[in-house]
Amino acid sequence: QVQLVESGGGVVQPGRSLRLSCAASGFPFSSYGMHWVRQAPGKGLEWVAVIWYDENNHYYADSVKGRFTISRDNSKNTLYLQMNSLRAEDTAVYYCARPGIAAAGNVATYNYYGMDVWGQGTTVTVSS
Amino acid sequence: IQMTQSPSSLSASVGARVTITCQASQDISHYLNWYQQKPGKAPKLLIYDASNLEIGVPSRFSGSGSGTAFTFTISSLQPEDIATYYCHQYDDLPLTFGGGTKVEIK
Repeated sequence: QVQLVESGGGVVQPGRSLRLSCAASGFPFSSYGMHWVRQAPGKGLEWVAVIWYDENNHYYADSVKGRFTISRDNSKNTLYLQMNSLRAEDTAVYYCARPGIAAAGNVATYNYYGMDVWGQGTTVTVSS
Repeated sequence: IQMTQSPSSLSASVGARVTITCQASQDISHYLNWYQQKPGKAPKLLIYDASNLEIGVPSRFSGSGSGTAFTFTISSLQPEDIATYYCHQYDDLPLTFGGGTKVEIK
């Protein structure tokens, strides 16, 4: 079945770095754009970043631009989020999510189509 | 694109009809999803493209609207529907979510 499994979360001091991973299975990972979405404790959902299926483009929320980098390894069916210069406000559960339509061979906007499959999330706590 | 969702919370009886609205700050056509999130769980897709029911989702859930005004309805509220519901636009980047509606049983 289609599955996304995040890992790499933990407790980290402000200013330090962390890399999250998302292992995908059950679908042609290399045909889909992929998202990261986060949720701070007791708060709503916040989109973080998207990467095109072929890695040719990536876009970020203003709140993380210049500090976070989304990447993927299609040979390993894995999505990554490199988080640098972490701040207390980055404390959240981080989800990877798949758009509802494959982008390969389709219009570019399908890379960031609405998400239909989500991982279980991994918790990042930024605290001294 | 700002997504204004209302109400932020509601309390209704079992069997009641529940309606949540979402207003986009600009025309997003039909590029809107509705999600259900229970505590400690990932969001679950209920409605895609504004009005299409995701496979396996009970038919008491429905969505309507296009452009800037959208509505999500639970036709007969059940105890298992207690959750927070979010609208989400994917017409343009950056993607955005509504603030959420927490649904409780009266």
